[in-house]
Amino acid sequence: AQRVTQPEKLLSVFKGAPVELKCNYSYSGSPELFWYVQYSRQRLQLLLRHISRESIKGFTADLNKGETSFHLKKPFAQEEDSAMYYCAPRLLRGGGADGLTFGKGTHLIIQP
Amino acid sequence: NAGVTQTPKFQVLKTGQSMTLQCAQDMNHEYMSWYRQDPGMGLRLIHYSVGAGITDQGEVPNGYNVSRSTTEDFPLRLLSAAPSQTSVYFCASSYSSTGFPDEQYFGPGTRLTVT
Repeated sequence: AQRVTQPEKLLSVFKGAPVELKCNYSYSGSPELFWYVQYSRQRLQLLLRHISRESIKGFTADLNKGETSFHLKKPFAQEEDSAMYYCAPRLLRGGGADGLTFGKGTHLIIQP
Repeated sequence: NAGVTQTPKFQVLKTGQSMTLQCAQDMNHEYMSWYRQDPGMGLRLIHYSVGAGITDQGEVPNGYNVSRSTTEDFPLRLLSAAPSQTSVYFCASSYSSTGFPDEQYFGPGTRLTVT
């Protein structure tokens, strides 16, 4: 079955340390990949998508087709990065359109 | 633009009661969807719609009905509420040129408790 895996439920790092949130997917085709973020008491919002190849709030994510991964990285964490992060490959099921399939999320806590 | 709006923000139901969660968007998006968010489970797709008059099931559709009579509105109906439906429900919409959702815009959520 096609799935997306975010292996860490919780990730705690110190301010200024590098951050890497892992995302792996199982899919035989060429998915489109997104990272969404939910800050405390705010609605989910798009952080970045792999096809735009841009850096948002210092975060980048590279699609590695060989490893089927789309890890989210930031070289120097800031306290305002504390949030829930969801990896969301756009997968197909049964040949038809589908919603985004979200991973279970990683709660990132940046300690001062 | 108001974006995606959801009502109510909070709701408490008794087992067996029915209710409708409202979702509306003013961005003329074709694609709309409902998710539920549970601790440790992330976001799971309940139902989605690629346009007015077209709906389909997602990952966890049992116990829920949807309809899409207009582009703007996508209500979610709980037929007979059960404690397992206690969750936070998010509605989302997106532009879709191919039938596949592009960036999704989320509503603020409805926190539902079933006792």
